[in-house]
Amino acid sequence: EPEVTQTPSHQVTQMGQEVILRCVPISNHLYFYWYRQILGQKVEFLVSFYNNEISEKSEIFDDQFSVERPDGSNFTLKIRSTKLEDSAMYFCASKPGQGPNQPQHFGDGTRLSIL
Amino acid sequence: AQSVTQPDIHITVSEGASLELRCNYSYGATPYLFWYVQSPGQGLQLLLKYFSGDTLVQGIKGFEAEFKRSQSSFNLRKPSVHWSDAAEYFCAVGLGSAAGNKLTFGGGTRVLVKP
Repeated sequence: EPEVTQTPSHQVTQMGQEVILRCVPISNHLYFYWYRQILGQKVEFLVSFYNNEISEKSEIFDDQFSVERPDGSNFTLKIRSTKLEDSAMYFCASKPGQGPNQPQHFGDGTRLSIL
Repeated sequence: AQSVTQPDIHITVSEGASLELRCNYSYGATPYLFWYVQSPGQGLQLLLKYFSGDTLVQGIKGFEAEFKRSQSSFNLRKPSVHWSDAAEYFCAVGLGSAAGNKLTFGGGTRVLVKP
């Protein structure tokens, strides 16, 4: 069964540095998402992306965050100047089409640790 | 705004015993409801989903869930738990908007299985 793949599985970065988290969604999917889960807290929506633009973003997704689909397969989340509170597990998800009845498929996540 | 509550943070159950995980949602329109499971170090795997129709839905791994509109609940059940069911379980609601169709998650219930 096709999977969403995320790399790296664990990223350690100094505070203030830029980090790029990478995701390869399932190939025929059109909608892409990033979520994060701070240790011990809920999974939180960050951003959704469709047709090469952001369709919705949460208040967490401020100017330090950006997303990009640089080619036909990758979907990236960039954090420009990381803070300690950005430490979390970041999940990428994708789904084939419009409509909330189509479930999102999640990757295994990238654990981001900011020192 | 929509919200999802999972009242039980931890549940311990003996192998072979039945399991029920509670989920309550708050959402003005017809909800699209999901249960995901997260095994240690893994991503979120979809167990089952409810959109409409039969209020008892079957999922993978022997799980089922029942939608009760009058109680705003979508509880997950399994008649006989296996040791491999030890994981964290998340209930989620999907919005019906045409935008991002983001998921809102509950806080999760961690299930421990005793031999």
